[in-house]
Amino acid sequence: KQEVTQIPAALSVPEGENLVLNCSFTDSAIYNLQWFRQDPGKGLTSLLLIQSSQREQTSGRLNASLDKSSGRSTLYIAASQPGDSATYLCAAGGGADGLTFGKGTHLIIQP
Amino acid sequence: KAGVTQTPRYLIKTRGQQVTLSCSPISGHRSVSWYQQTPGQGLQFLFEYFSETQRNKGNFPGRFSGRQFSNSRSEMNVSTLELGDSALYLCASSWTGGLSSYEQYFGPGTRLTVT
Repeated sequence: KQEVTQIPAALSVPEGENLVLNCSFTDSAIYNLQWFRQDPGKGLTSLLLIQSSQREQTSGRLNASLDKSSGRSTLYIAASQPGDSATYLCAAGGGADGLTFGKGTHLIIQP
Repeated sequence: KAGVTQTPRYLIKTRGQQVTLSCSPISGHRSVSWYQQTPGQGLQFLFEYFSETQRNKGNFPGRFSGRQFSNSRSEMNVSTLELGDSALYLCASSWTGGLSSYEQYFGPGTRLTVT
């Protein structure tokens, strides 16, 4: 059974810092790895999707990497802004088996 | 292109009642998945439908059921509600084909409160 762990559970940093969020998964037989953002009381916004054959994906200030052999993914946020404050969720995709989510990293960017 | 829509957005029910939630996927998406989010358990996979067939199911009791219609819209039903069913129910759709297959797009969710 796939298990996904995210470290740290919470993070508070001043505006402008670069930061890294970590995600690990136990079963390397994943279809893809997806990073989401969730604002309080809202649904999930997809940030980046990395297919199992890929090593990384970039979108603006966000960069996500995937190392299937070690069961790890990282989300790098450059030049953080207060608007980046949210909960970031990592999910290992099992195709039709659905996504297995971590518990998330609650991120606060201090102005 | 319109996103995933879910109705209703908020719902309050009493223990023992049943409830039906609705999800309309992104146009062209044929797969719909349902998830339950609670503070204690986080996000958990309920089931996935593709072309009106349930392809996979998570570890939830039989009180949780769903269906998909020919236009890919999906409904989820919970019977004999329990207090522990209070949660945010999220629906996600995906297009199962090509390199971007299984990238899931989520709706805003339905907040269910059971009293």
